[in-house]
Amino acid sequence: QKEVEQNSGPLSVPEGAIASLNCTYSDRGSQSFFWYRQYSGKSPELIMSIYSNGDKEDGRFTAQLNKASQYVSLLIRDSQPSDSATYLCAVTPLWRGGATNKLIFGTGTLLAVQP
Amino acid sequence: KAGVTQTPRYLIKTRGQQVTLSCSPISGHRSVSWYQQTPGQGLQFLFEYFSETQRNKGNFPGRFSGRQFSNSRSEMNVSTLELGDSALYLCASSPGTGNGYTFGSGTRLTVV
Repeated sequence: QKEVEQNSGPLSVPEGAIASLNCTYSDRGSQSFFWYRQYSGKSPELIMSIYSNGDKEDGRFTAQLNKASQYVSLLIRDSQPSDSATYLCAVTPLWRGGATNKLIFGTGTLLAVQP
Repeated sequence: KAGVTQTPRYLIKTRGQQVTLSCSPISGHRSVSWYQQTPGQGLQFLFEYFSETQRNKGNFPGRFSGRQFSNSRSEMNVSTLELGDSALYLCASSPGTGNGYTFGSGTRLTVV
């Protein structure tokens, strides 16, 4: 079982629709959860972070975390063609060596927003 | 505010050589991490430095090493290069713990 799993896609949605991206993780002790967006040929860009169960909204983006189900999701409302990119889920695993910023990344979901 | 700066942007090396990559974090960021990105494996954690100390290390051979200087700048070194080391190497910095990273533009290493 991979530590962080995402559907590789592509996920195709029409412009203006809601895009729903999902991620599951295996380490129950994971503390911090992030969504990164990566355009082709560019480096990843942090778009959302979430640390506790529930929803967190930022503009058109909503991150959802369910630690009991070990599940993180990202909703993008009013999807635009400029949202077309690979979305990477990342998790900070439990590490008994102390504080860490180590992230385990999923392989990413390719989102294509059709005009 | 300047972002994370990585140099060089592109490198071509021959098998068996060694290479040093450089990273300057965002001013005030004390945490620097390095990742390798390949099409097959995705983003893989190499190591993490905080205030000049290696705080965590990924599952890479000892040919991969790094260090952080007192000004938070970091370098990573790969010795005895192999074809499989061809990848995008990304440096990321963070102001503290648990904040998420800002990535640099990366160094594209090609080993021939």
